[in-house]
Amino acid sequence: QITLKESGPALVKPTQTLTLTCNFSGFSLSTGGVGVGWIRQPPGKALEWLALIYWNDDKRYSPFLKSRLTITKDTSKNEVVLTMTNMDPVDTATYYCAHNWGWFDPWGQGILVTVSS
Amino acid sequence: QSVLTQPPSTSGTPGQRVTISCSGGNSNIGSNYVYWYHHLPGTAPKLLINRNNQRPSGVPDRFSGSKSGTSASLAISGLRSEDEADYYCAVWDDSLNGWVFGGGTKLTVL
Repeated sequence: QITLKESGPALVKPTQTLTLTCNFSGFSLSTGGVGVGWIRQPPGKALEWLALIYWNDDKRYSPFLKSRLTITKDTSKNEVVLTMTNMDPVDTATYYCAHNWGWFDPWGQGILVTVSS
Repeated sequence: QSVLTQPPSTSGTPGQRVTISCSGGNSNIGSNYVYWYHHLPGTAPKLLINRNNQRPSGVPDRFSGSKSGTSASLAISGLRSEDEADYYCAVWDDSLNGWVFGGGTKLTVL
């Protein structure tokens, strides 16, 4: 059974850098074709894809946020980390990580991150 | 504004059939598989349809997906109160070199 869980701060200040961790079990990020992605949902708005890292360390970023995002993996820890710089109140959202094998499934429960001074 | 266009809302009565559309372009729906997700706010989105029309194990056959050209649809037959949720389409976009989600459709069961 594949499970993922997001962790990180619930509150960050504007201009700060957000660091989120996705800890997963039930699969290995060293298996060919596997990836882990991040998706967010601002309150009352739609899902928005942010980034994806593959087993071979290939990385993809949303072109709209690419300059602010970094995704990394630690295969030995079953962990994927997303950093987002220069946080703004509009970045307030629930952030999800998800297993990817051509599509996102399953997803973690999400973590609500609020950006406020 | 999303690359993929979905109606913001739709509704139906128990037992009815409803469809939700997802309109895109040649670089996304026209070239790649479409996926559909069921989402209740505060919970993890759940995969309903993969590769245009495949139902993952455990998804009732009341749910079906289709694709034609640059548009896709999700159909829900035998509508039930527990189907009330937000539904999203998702697809890889070759031009953006990334994933795109539709704006989401809120389904209300009257």
